[in-house]
Amino acid sequence: DTAVSQTPKYLVTQMGNDKSIKCEQNLGHDTMYWYKQDSKKFLKIMFSYNNKELIINETVPNRFSPKSPDKAHLNLHINSLELGDSAVYFCASSQNGINYGYTFGSGTRLTVV
Amino acid sequence: AQSVTQLDSQVPVFEEAPVELRCNYSSSVSVYLFWYVQYPNQGLQLLLKYLSGSTLVESINGFEAEFNKSQTSFHLRKPSVHISDTAEYFCAALTGANNLFFGTGTRLTVIP
Repeated sequence: DTAVSQTPKYLVTQMGNDKSIKCEQNLGHDTMYWYKQDSKKFLKIMFSYNNKELIINETVPNRFSPKSPDKAHLNLHINSLELGDSAVYFCASSQNGINYGYTFGSGTRLTVV
Repeated sequence: AQSVTQLDSQVPVFEEAPVELRCNYSSSVSVYLFWYVQYPNQGLQLLLKYLSGSTLVESINGFEAEFNKSQTSFHLRKPSVHISDTAEYFCAALTGANNLFFGTGTRLTVIP
């Protein structure tokens, strides 16, 4: 069973479109995250969210919005896609406390054309 | 200010040779340190972590890292690398906001 699963794995779309990436974790973790990995492999946190608090990286454009229907899901919705949004997006989860580290999904490669 | 620094963007090494991937952290982050590995076209996998206790931590595939407080370092080492170790390696630290901050990564290429 996949611990953190993301869909789709690949997403190709045109500029200006709106798209969503889904993430689900079956680990019972209480915090979930979205990271963006650019073409230079640099990983940058976009959001962290638990059932109490959403923390947004201030550098993330407001075209990006996380949506959490329940504790096991954190979807990423992107409005008005731009070329610069092309990247690999990783979902992750963790349990409160640091003993377990983060568990990452396999990533979604988004290509905006 | 950069919290985690990986000075080497690429490290080529011959098979069965030793390797060290360098990581330095700033005093602004916690001393909860991690190494993650990303194999080609895959997600990130936790390799090892330092939380407290013994400063030398080991992974199941022969890697080890040593927490050095005086040098603010957490270098990753392996005495003899294999072709299958070719991957991107990321050092990371927990920030005060309890988020995982990553270094820029080191591409390890093992040459046959």
